[in-house]
Amino acid sequence: ETGVTQTPRHLVMGMTNKKSLKCEQHLGHNAMYWYKQSAKKPLELMFVYSLEERVENNSVPSRFSPECPNSSHLFLHLHTLQPEDSALYLCASSQDHASGRYNEQFFGPGTRLTVL
Amino acid sequence: KQEVTQIPAALSVPEGENLVLNCSFTDSAIYNLQWFRQDPGKGLTSLLLIQSSQREQTSGRLNASLDKSSGRSTLYIAASQPGDSATYLCAVRLYNAGNMLTFGGGTRLMVKP
Repeated sequence: ETGVTQTPRHLVMGMTNKKSLKCEQHLGHNAMYWYKQSAKKPLELMFVYSLEERVENNSVPSRFSPECPNSSHLFLHLHTLQPEDSALYLCASSQDHASGRYNEQFFGPGTRLTVL
Repeated sequence: KQEVTQIPAALSVPEGENLVLNCSFTDSAIYNLQWFRQDPGKGLTSLLLIQSSQREQTSGRLNASLDKSSGRSTLYIAASQPGDSATYLCAVRLYNAGNMLTFGGGTRLMVKP
């Protein structure tokens, strides 16, 4: 158990659907992350939240909309996705997002998303 | 822009072999380098972390080395077991880049009984 949970574990959606991915961390951390892992590309950072504020947006299309209502929860709202958005979406958390310090990131099990 | 490359992309070995996984990075101004394990359909588990001032770290049958000047790290697995079958990822943290990790593409390892 890593202390980071994600739901759902699997999701199949059509291109016109709207769905949300949920991440919850039970570690008392202040920073949370969304990553995308595609079959043919390295794991890519999408968004970083620190103390509920977005601090990084790694040129992600607007059809992905993150939300961090509190330091324990992170959502990724999905709408009008494309088949190439099919991937494993991983959430992680760390103590904080400070530069120059080591903060281990703890990862959730991921949501396997398939866009038809 | 930091780029991280892992070679080979896939590796299949018989049980008991010693093996080496390679990781290279283009920007040597790293804060530290971390090796992860990922089982199919699962999240990432941290294996070893090497600070930029260190040359190696060991945990059980795993040994990771770091040569920052040449931009390389290796993960050595001794006496491999079928339970070691997984994807191994390396990731680096740059100075003054917050806690952001840049990942390699991973090496998919299969250890056959």
